[in-house]
Amino acid sequence: SQQGEEDPQALSIQEGENATMNCSYKTSINNLQWYRQNSGRGLVHLILIRSNEREKHSGRLRVTLDTSKKSSSLLITASRAADTASYFCATVLYNFNKFYFGSGTKLNVKP
Amino acid sequence: GAGVSQSPSNKVTEKGKDVELRCDPISGHTALYWYRQSLGQGLEFLIYFQGNSAPDKSGLPSDRFSAERTGGSVSTLTIQRTQQEDSAVYLCASSLVVAGGPSGTDTQYFGPGTRLTVL
Repeated sequence: SQQGEEDPQALSIQEGENATMNCSYKTSINNLQWYRQNSGRGLVHLILIRSNEREKHSGRLRVTLDTSKKSSSLLITASRAADTASYFCATVLYNFNKFYFGSGTKLNVKP
Repeated sequence: GAGVSQSPSNKVTEKGKDVELRCDPISGHTALYWYRQSLGQGLEFLIYFQGNSAPDKSGLPSDRFSAERTGGSVSTLTIQRTQQEDSAVYLCASSLVVAGGPSGTDTQYFGPGTRLTVL
């Protein structure tokens, strides 16, 4: 399977702490994207990193990509209770019109 | 519209009945995707439409599932003779261009989903 797989499956932290989630995949990708999902409904796109990029920032989010290890990490700094959600990575292959989603990391930020 | 919309938001049906789920993508988006998400699981790709091309149906789990996209816009996912294992949230997403194509910079915009419960 080309699916991204997130790690850990669940993460519980205190407000203000940093949260790190990892994603591993198996085949070469065009880009990798991170999404957030609240309450089992629609996903919201957070950030996209291309295969030729190594790091990207967006607000409190920092994403890294290591294509040699076929892995990515999402760091949320200074977490807030409102960050509580499930986070998914999605890999997009070259010239394939599918997104491969992992099973997600469930983040709980305690106030 | 402002975003991807789906209807109904919730659907409860009896085993063996047919259901239709609707997706209105963002205006101008050429690509449309359907996913299924079982409780606590990741997203399972079902089908993909791009413009007027033949859809990629490789993710449909059985021949009870079908989808169409009329006029390159609205899409309907139909599940015939529903089974209890069909219970899930069905998510639709659209994107402006083909994701993973030469630009590789596009993202998907998701609708809120339809929660299907088969009794």
